[in-house]
Amino acid sequence: AQTVTQSQPEMSVQEAETVTLSCTYDTSESDYYLFWYKQPPSRQMILVIRQEAYKQQNATENRFSVNFQKAAKSFSLKISDSQLGDAAMYFCAYIETSGSRLTFGEGTQLTVNP
Amino acid sequence: GAGVSQSPRYKVAKRGQDVALRCDPISGHVSLFWYQQALGQGPEFLTYFQNEAQLDKSGLPSDRFFAERPEGSVSTLKIQRTQQEDSAVYLCASSPDLLHTEAFFGQGTRLTVV
Repeated sequence: AQTVTQSQPEMSVQEAETVTLSCTYDTSESDYYLFWYKQPPSRQMILVIRQEAYKQQNATENRFSVNFQKAAKSFSLKISDSQLGDAAMYFCAYIETSGSRLTFGEGTQLTVNP
Repeated sequence: GAGVSQSPRYKVAKRGQDVALRCDPISGHVSLFWYQQALGQGPEFLTYFQNEAQLDKSGLPSDRFFAERPEGSVSTLKIQRTQQEDSAVYLCASSPDLLHTEAFFGQGTRLTVV
């Protein structure tokens, strides 16, 4: 069974600084997707960034980028120029390419200090 | 509406009561997913619909849980004889295709069983 592990229950960063959130996963599949979702207090899961496993290039979305290490099964999220609105719970998630269910990690609560 | 809509936002049920949670997906979306998120944890998969067909219900925790999507649009998650361990946020997501990679989440229903 696939598992996703986020080893940092809480992280904090100063506004305008950079923070990295860690995620590791375990799978025997070769084709899959990895995601980072943001969940603010409103509870709605918002997609931050997506990585396809067959793509070697790391995904980037504005201030958000990932470091995808397929051999190490590691998928970290870097947030640059952190803003107060980035404060939320962040979840790493995995799905097989043909799969119908996301497997989520336990989450990392990010605090942004002014 | 423009997004996935879930109702009610909050539900308090007495132990033993039946509840019904509604999900209105984005119009035209083929796939619909239900997740259960216990306090302080990541969401866990419950069930998946492709149009009106329930293709995967392996995540439903017991036979007290039942989901339907009779016309391939609105879905209802029903929990019979609620128990305290059913207290959680129930998230619904929809996707325009057969994959989960473009899924959009609703804001969830927070169920509290007292």
